[in-house]
Amino acid sequence: GAVVSQHPSWVICKSGTSVKIECRSLDFQATTMFWYRQFPKQSLMLMATSNEGSKATYEQGVEKDKFLINHASLTLSTLTVTSAHPEDSSFYICSARDPSGRPETQYFGPGTRLLVL
Amino acid sequence: GNSVTQMEGPVTLSEEAFLTINCTYTATGYPSLFWYVQYPGEGLQLLLKATKADDKGSNKGFEATYRKETTSFHLEKGSVQVSDSAVYFCALRGNSGYSTLTFGKGTMLLVSP
Repeated sequence: GAVVSQHPSWVICKSGTSVKIECRSLDFQATTMFWYRQFPKQSLMLMATSNEGSKATYEQGVEKDKFLINHASLTLSTLTVTSAHPEDSSFYICSARDPSGRPETQYFGPGTRLLVL
Repeated sequence: GNSVTQMEGPVTLSEEAFLTINCTYTATGYPSLFWYVQYPGEGLQLLLKATKADDKGSNKGFEATYRKETTSFHLEKGSVQVSDSAVYFCALRGNSGYSTLTFGKGTMLLVSP
């Protein structure tokens, strides 16, 4: 099946630094990508929907200036956590929708674990 | 709004035991229902789905039936294997165009030989 990759798989950074996470669709072009955040023993919470060539749509309560999303090509979306703080430590998961499939054809990356010290 | 509630884990079973992971939902209209599985170190994969009431989704020996009267979509398997050890997520998607997925918290299944 289709594959979505994320890089890095885990990252440790100091408080105040910025971290960029990449999400790639490897064998299809994704016009829409999604970014989720997951805390331990919690649901995946949708942070934002990213459409290629346009601004991301953020969910209520997600700071767009804190979590910068860029979807510059049909196979790449990036999430940058700016001025990271310990409370940003979490598991970030991206997902890409294959427009050639039915709407429910949504593929997920393996996730990126972020630890902010 | 939409929400999904699934049983907390971990669920610990011996190989060949019967599995049930409960999932109930709250949604307006007629959502589509999904079970995703996440194996260690991998992304979520669609396991099965059902798009209307009384539909039964099935895959790899797993089954779930869309029960609108009880707003449930319980996951079952008659005989689990060690390789089924993973985290299972119940999810729904509203029926309006490109609605987004709403997930439950996930249930970890551990199967011992």
